[in-house]
Amino acid sequence: KQEVTQIPAALSVPEGENLVLNCSFTDSAIYNLQWFRQDPGKGLTSLLLIQSSQREQTSGRLNASLDKSSGRSTLYIAASQPGDSATYLCAVGGISNFGNEKLTFGTGTRLTIIP
Amino acid sequence: DTAVSQTPKYLVTQMGNDKSIKCEQNLGHDTMYWYKQDSKKFLKIMFSYNNKELIINETVPNRFSPKSPDKAHLNLHINSLELGDSAVYFCASSLLLAGGGNEQFFGPGTRLTVL
Repeated sequence: KQEVTQIPAALSVPEGENLVLNCSFTDSAIYNLQWFRQDPGKGLTSLLLIQSSQREQTSGRLNASLDKSSGRSTLYIAASQPGDSATYLCAVGGISNFGNEKLTFGTGTRLTIIP
Repeated sequence: DTAVSQTPKYLVTQMGNDKSIKCEQNLGHDTMYWYKQDSKKFLKIMFSYNNKELIINETVPNRFSPKSPDKAHLNLHINSLELGDSAVYFCASSLLLAGGGNEQFFGPGTRLTVL
């Protein structure tokens, strides 16, 4: 059974700093890994998708890496801004016991950027 | 130009009632999903539906029944609502491509409160 863990659960950093969010998973038989952000009371916004054959993906100030063999992914945010404050969710794509493709989510890291 | 939409956004109802949540996607995707986010913000898949094949995941009571009139819609009907059904329900969609690992796009969520 896939289990996804995100550490830390909450993080506060001053504006302008670079930061890293961590995600670990127990089963390396994955299709992909997606990073999402969720603002309070809102839906999920997809940030980056890394296929299992890839090592990293970049979008603007965001860079996500994937080390499938060790079951780890990181999300690097450069030059953080107050607008980056949100909960960041890591989700691992795989196959359920019932044969359908599904995402298994971590519990998230609540990020606060201090102006 | 909303990609994945859900109605209603908020739903407050009494225990024992039957209610439905609607989801529509205009992305031309083949597969749609329902996820549940509980009070601890943990997201877990409930169903996936593609090409008229419904796959139900193990933790879902049979009071929950997804209905798909066509490829662009996947509605969630819930009978005999219980207090524990209070949560945020997210609809998502993705393409169905060989090899799996397709990016999932999420709707804004429906916050269900059962009194």
